[in-house]
Amino acid sequence: DTAVSQTPKYLVTQMGNDKSIKCEQNLGHDTMYWYKQDSKKFLKIMFSYNNKELIINETVPNRFSPKSPDKAHLNLHINSLELGDSAVYFCASSQGRYGGEQFFGPGTRLTVL
Amino acid sequence: TQLLEQSPQFLSIQEGENLTVYCNSSSVFSSLQWYRQEPGEGPVLLVTVVTGGEVKKLKRLTFQFGDARKDSSLHITAAQPGDTGLYLCAGRTGGGNKLTFGTGTQLKVEL
Repeated sequence: DTAVSQTPKYLVTQMGNDKSIKCEQNLGHDTMYWYKQDSKKFLKIMFSYNNKELIINETVPNRFSPKSPDKAHLNLHINSLELGDSAVYFCASSQGRYGGEQFFGPGTRLTVL
Repeated sequence: TQLLEQSPQFLSIQEGENLTVYCNSSSVFSSLQWYRQEPGEGPVLLVTVVTGGEVKKLKRLTFQFGDARKDSSLHITAAQPGDTGLYLCAGRTGGGNKLTFGTGTQLKVEL
């Protein structure tokens, strides 16, 4: 009965590769997010989608491309991975565009070698 | 750029002690939340405060929102090992969904 799930849990890859992280929520929420948590545990919003519409797009390199096939799924594709992309990426979901409680997934630890 | 500075950054205490974590900003927030994150997991919401001066209690945890809605504090009474974790404050401006997270406080409570 997982609420927000992410795959994979761990991802180790070489610089220059392209990789994707998948997120699914079964809470019936209409808004989903991607966050990046760096090595100092600082958590920063990257993107947010509401009903498949991009509503938050922070200053993120265009190597990062979110895709929302439906409101229960939000995937993150990263091209040409760099060492600085190493971090833990969290997916989250909430209901509504204005202030609902956000539920976070367990995170995907990405290591770029 | 809105910044939420938390202090202390690290805190290691003995079981039974009291502690306070602070979250400060020069920006005004419409609401402020506190999360706890355990290793290998995502943050979990503890509380949301929305009114300046508001105080909320959650068992041994007391949360306060500053009168000017620029700062907040989390006080834990009689800390237990189960309180160990990363505590994050997060502020929201306006009515949108964007959360700005604080710099985090890593708490360790030892027996």
